[in-house]
Amino acid sequence: NAGVTQTPKFRILKIGQSMTLQCTQDMNHNYMYWYRQDPGMGLKLIYYSVGAGITDKGEVPNGYNVSRSTTEDFPLRLELAAPSQTSVYFCASSLRGDSSYEQYFGPGTRLTVT
Amino acid sequence: QKEVEQNSGPLSVPEGAIASLNCTYSDRGSQSFFWYRQYSGKSPELIMSIYSNGDKEDGRFTAQLNKASQYVSLLIRDSQPSDSATYLCAARRGGKLTFGQGTILTVHP
Repeated sequence: NAGVTQTPKFRILKIGQSMTLQCTQDMNHNYMYWYRQDPGMGLKLIYYSVGAGITDKGEVPNGYNVSRSTTEDFPLRLELAAPSQTSVYFCASSLRGDSSYEQYFGPGTRLTVT
Repeated sequence: QKEVEQNSGPLSVPEGAIASLNCTYSDRGSQSFFWYRQYSGKSPELIMSIYSNGDKEDGRFTAQLNKASQYVSLLIRDSQPSDSATYLCAARRGGKLTFGQGTILTVHP
């Protein structure tokens, strides 16, 4: 199993541009998550999904959109990129039914908006 | 008050010593707790989870939970230079985790 994969690894965007960060997991996990991590800080939840067709906002959803059409994929869309969105983005997944809901993380996407 | 707060660090310990990392949480509805290790430039890696009061041991790592005091800790015995990383504490409610800001641990030879 590849686990959780993310593309791209790095991206530089100009202010106002848009892009989609891709996330795929092959563990048949129900739950998927998007986090951002600013330098020296913990992880902040952007959006999450409990299954295909179901998404919900996290702590910092403004400026982002998500969709979940399949169990495996959970893309994050940035519209009208702003410098405040410069961050490292992590996708994670977990299996509902496991009592601890352990989350497994992808390698991250480092995004710079200039 | 932050929902999950970790001791500010950075924490520096000599090789072979015990490293003690602490975390408090404010949501009494939190159901389980996690410790993640994150090396610089890498993604978080799960070390341990705990959801019952008391201690849980896994090799050199021991997680401790005290729900009455809303306190979680991680002890690393026989610390090694390879343990040098940022340690993230997280509390779960439902399907969501809330993370602390992390504690940087340095183990010096």
